[in-house]
Amino acid sequence: QAQLMQSGAEVKNPGASVKVSCKASGYDFARYDINWVRQTSGQRLEWMGWMNPDNGRTGYAQRFQGRVSMTSDTSINTAYLELSNLRSEDTAVYYCARKPVYGYVMGWFDPWGQGTVVTVSS
Amino acid sequence: DIVMTQSPDSLAVSLGERATINCRSSQSLYYTSNNNNFLAWYQRKAGQPPKLLIYWASTRASGVPDRFSGSGSATDFTLTISSLQAEDVAVYYCQQYLLSPITFGQGTRLEIK
Repeated sequence: QAQLMQSGAEVKNPGASVKVSCKASGYDFARYDINWVRQTSGQRLEWMGWMNPDNGRTGYAQRFQGRVSMTSDTSINTAYLELSNLRSEDTAVYYCARKPVYGYVMGWFDPWGQGTVVTVSS
Repeated sequence: DIVMTQSPDSLAVSLGERATINCRSSQSLYYTSNNNNFLAWYQRKAGQPPKLLIYWASTRASGVPDRFSGSGSATDFTLTISSLQAEDVAVYYCQQYLLSPITFGQGTRLEIK
C-alpha cells in the first residue's frame, strides 16, 4: 500500500528557508509525480506545484515562483520541498501527495502525507 | 485561475439522512477529448490529511463506501452521502485538475444534527 511519511514540525524566523521531506513506500517512487499542497489558516487548501522524481521536471504555481524548489532523491525514495524568504503568511500545514495517474499533467491526489506544520514567527 | 466555490459552507444532517454538497467551477471542467470532467472530491477528518473519495467527477476511489457518490458535469457538481454515518463528520473539498494552477473549493464542514 502506497504511503508518504513527512518530516517533523518546523519553526522558522521570517526571511529564513525551510526544507520538508516526504518519504515514499509501497510503490515505485519514480513512476508518479509528487505534488505539494498547503493548508493555511482556516481550512483552505493551496496547491504549490509538482515534481517528477524520474526526470526532475517541475511545475510551480506562479505565486510561489522564485521562492520554491521541489527536488527528489530516488535512491532513498524521498521528495523535498524547500520554501525560501519565509513570511508569517507561510505558516501552514504542508502536505506531499502522489498523483496516481499517467498521461495528464494535472491530476487527483492519493495518498497524502500526514502533513508538516511550519510556523513562521519572530 | 479556475475558481471553485462550494455550498453550503457548513451542513448539519441527522444520522441516516442524505447529505448533499455542491461545487461550482468558474469554467467548464469537461474535456471533450476523453469525455471526462476533471474534478475530484476529498474528505478531511480532524487531525488527518485529506483522503480521496471521487475522481473524474463520479468514479469512487478504491475502498470508499458506496454511500458516497459524485455527479454533475461542466461547471456544476455534487457530492452525495446517501445515509450519513457518524464517521462521515469531516470537511469536504472539491478540486479541479483541468488547468494549472490546481484549485480547491473552500471546504464544506459536515456535522451531525
